[in-house]
Amino acid sequence: QKEVEQNSGPLSVPEGAIASLNCTYSDRVSQSFFWYRQYSGKSPELIMSIYSNGDKEDGRFTAQLNKASQYVSLLIRDSQPSDSATYLCAVNRWEDTGTASKLTFGTGTRLQVTL
Amino acid sequence: DTGVSQDPRHKITKRGQNVTFRCDPISEHNRLYWYRQTLGQGPEFLTYFQNEAQLEKSRLLSDRFSAERPKGSFSTLEIQRTEQGDSAMYLCASSLQRGGTDTQYFGPGTRLTVL
Repeated sequence: QKEVEQNSGPLSVPEGAIASLNCTYSDRVSQSFFWYRQYSGKSPELIMSIYSNGDKEDGRFTAQLNKASQYVSLLIRDSQPSDSATYLCAVNRWEDTGTASKLTFGTGTRLQVTL
Repeated sequence: DTGVSQDPRHKITKRGQNVTFRCDPISEHNRLYWYRQTLGQGPEFLTYFQNEAQLEKSRLLSDRFSAERPKGSFSTLEIQRTEQGDSAMYLCASSLQRGGTDTQYFGPGTRLTVL
């Protein structure tokens, strides 16, 4: 089982619709969760972080975390063609030092927003 | 805040040659990470520094790879005797680690092609 799993897609949604991206993780000691957006040929760009169970909203983006189910999702409202990219889910865990460190990434979900 | 910078942005080399990449983190950030990303995959952790100390190195990292952060500011990643399998995007990220959280911001990456 991969540590972080995402559906590779592509996920195709029409402009203006809600895109729902999902991620599951296997390590129960994972503590921090991140969504990065990556355009083709570019580096990952941080969109959202979430640490506690529940929802966290930032503009058109909402991250949802359920630690009991080991599940994190990203909702994109009013999807725009410019949202077309690969979305990477990343987790990090508490190390023996008592801090979080390296990120473990999923393979990413490719989102296509169609006109 | 000028963001994380990396140099060069692209490097083409012949198999067997040595290459060195540089990363300049966000100025107040105390942690610096190196990741590698191949096509269709998420970034894979290589190593990280807190200030000048190298705290972790991936078990997957060959002895041909070495990284330094001599003054706790910029970092270099050297690959000796490059192989075609080293072709990838090499990503640097930095963070200000405080408390338990560690939000990482990525540079633009260095794309390495080994012929």
